[in-house]
Amino acid sequence: GAGVSQTPSNKVTEKGKYVELRCDPISGHTALYWYRQSLGQGPEFLIYFQGTGAADDSGLPNDRFFAVRPEGSVSTLKIQRTERGDSAVYLCASSLTTGGPYEQYFGPGTRLTVT
Amino acid sequence: EDKVVQSPLSLVVHEGDTVTLNCSYEVTNFRSLLWYKQEKKAPTFLFMLTSSGIEKKSGRLSSILDKKELFSILNITATQTGDSAVYLCAGSNSNSGYALNFGKGTSLLVTP
Repeated sequence: GAGVSQTPSNKVTEKGKYVELRCDPISGHTALYWYRQSLGQGPEFLIYFQGTGAADDSGLPNDRFFAVRPEGSVSTLKIQRTERGDSAVYLCASSLTTGGPYEQYFGPGTRLTVT
Repeated sequence: EDKVVQSPLSLVVHEGDTVTLNCSYEVTNFRSLLWYKQEKKAPTFLFMLTSSGIEKKSGRLSSILDKKELFSILNITATQTGDSAVYLCAGSNSNSGYALNFGKGTSLLVTP
């Protein structure tokens, strides 16, 4: 079956611009997670959705970062006024949750470069 | 604060060698320990461990969890060049929907 997909695969933007990163989870997975991975580091948790609601956004670094999942499937991570420090690979993962824990399946990521 | 520490950070071995990767964790409301393999982009799932002392095995890879010592190991026997990757360990916290807290990873290079 189809895995987690993310678009775009690469995004180059100028400092100060707005970007949107999209994640399409595995069909039937109600839990969706966003992580950010910098070079030489493990992925760092940003936000977790259970259905349509953001159940835990404690990992978002500041209020320039926002994410939505309006229909409980596709999610969009939005970054306003991008900074060079936002450059990283943004990974999305999905899993089942009822009766968990379950393993999370990751998408290929979006490499964001802020110039 | 939750913490996951992996060692060694990097390792170079010859094909056919056996390797052991280490992961120690301090995770509040710990629920499970997961291992992933990351080659280029997406981490791919290897194992999820929830109970102490029960070994999980898949081919040449195996893993075990010690919940008393807060430790897990990943073993790879008869290594092949295709095993070259970064191996990530993560603890899940039941308070945040099992969001994963990752270590920095162990970079494994298997030479012919």
